[in-house]
Amino acid sequence: TQLLEQSPQFLSIQEGENLTVYCNSSSVFSSLQWYRQEPGEGPVLLVTVVTGGEVKKLKRLTFQFGDARKDSSLHITAAQPGDTGLYLCAAPRQFYFGTGTSLTVIP
Amino acid sequence: DAGVTQSPTHLIKTRGQQVTLRCSPKSGHDTVSWYQQALGQGPQFIFQYYEEEERQRGNFPDRFSGHQFPNYSSELNVNALLLGDSALYLCASSRRTEGKLFFGSGTQLSVL
Repeated sequence: TQLLEQSPQFLSIQEGENLTVYCNSSSVFSSLQWYRQEPGEGPVLLVTVVTGGEVKKLKRLTFQFGDARKDSSLHITAAQPGDTGLYLCAAPRQFYFGTGTSLTVIP
Repeated sequence: DAGVTQSPTHLIKTRGQQVTLRCSPKSGHDTVSWYQQALGQGPQFIFQYYEEEERQRGNFPDRFSGHQFPNYSSELNVNALLLGDSALYLCASSRRTEGKLFFGSGTQLSVL
């Protein structure tokens, strides 16, 4: 049983499209993080959400923490090829990473 | 300011051998964590070192051991290598009081 389940596992979209990635759990977390990992590199932290219902925006990326602090979502508006990578949610206090979503944005 | 550096970048070993991977943390960081990542999957936590002691450990056998030196750098040792140990090994550094991890580019280990 995975503590953090991400969906979808794979996503291939055209440049300019919108997409949402989900991170779900049956456990409650004090905070969740989102990372992006490009091929041949380590993950890079994008955001940390700590309050239930919190919404954070990073340019075209919008992150939301569920009201019950059990889930989170990442929405990308007008995806670009540079958004291609493996997106990972993480529970930092539990040292746990999600199953990952591999995103490919086709020019 | 150098980030997290790992060496070597790639390594090929045979079953039963032993391997040592090295990590230098980002300047100002005192905590080092090690992760194992299979292709396309999320990293799996191995252990974390702070003040030269193992502070937290994930679900990995005793074949996986580590060390942290006074300059905060760290080593990951794996004994009696198995084919299933083939993976990308990531080192992450942080300040003890913060939950923000900075990752190195990893060491790709192949066990034949």
